[in-house]
Amino acid sequence: DIQMTQSPSSVSASVGDRVTITCRASQGISSWLAWYQQKPGKAPKLLISTASSLQSGVPSRFSGSGSGTDFTLTISSLQPEDFATYYCQQANSFPITFGQGTRLEIK
Amino acid sequence: EVHLLESGGDLVQPGGSLRLSCAASGFTFSICAMTWVRQAPGKGLEWVSSIDTTGGGTYYADSVKGRFTISRDNSKNTLYLQMNSLRAEDTAVYYCAKINTQPRDWFDPWGQGSLVTVSS
Repeated sequence: DIQMTQSPSSVSASVGDRVTITCRASQGISSWLAWYQQKPGKAPKLLISTASSLQSGVPSRFSGSGSGTDFTLTISSLQPEDFATYYCQQANSFPITFGQGTRLEIK
Repeated sequence: EVHLLESGGDLVQPGGSLRLSCAASGFTFSICAMTWVRQAPGKGLEWVSSIDTTGGGTYYADSVKGRFTISRDNSKNTLYLQMNSLRAEDTAVYYCAKINTQPRDWFDPWGQGSLVTVSS
């Protein structure tokens, strides 16, 4: 199984800050990586697919990069609605696996 | 608008069975692969199972293999998850989601979830 490791597990930041979350795969997954945002009590929402493709309707302050084993999700200027938990997911092979999540909290 | 609505979640005793349903609307269900993902209370996301467009291809996490069965009825636009031999560790919110294209792909969108509680 491919293990997905996110860092940090949690981060405190302020509105307007730039935040980067990393996701590392235990083996190469090419660009088969997605990022999701989940708010408390809500279903996850797809933000980015194929490592860097922004989904329709997602603000341009979100961006993704990477390939192989190392990936990043960057939020260029945090807005109040961005405080949530973020998950990476690999779709290179079954079983599909998720990172453990990164909780983004207000400082 | 794509909409997924899960139902069937309940409190069940260990060793019991339950069937979840996911009613789909707003897209051509029969040409879309589908998936179930669960989230235990306060924990992260765990992929459970996926199914291709015809139901001929099914995929399972090791944690549920042999106990859970994913299926679909394209005439009813409905996805199912039959859960047998339930354990306390199966307690979670179960989400259904539409898969982008092939069974191994992104999940978008997701339903609102259905809570399954396994407890005596």
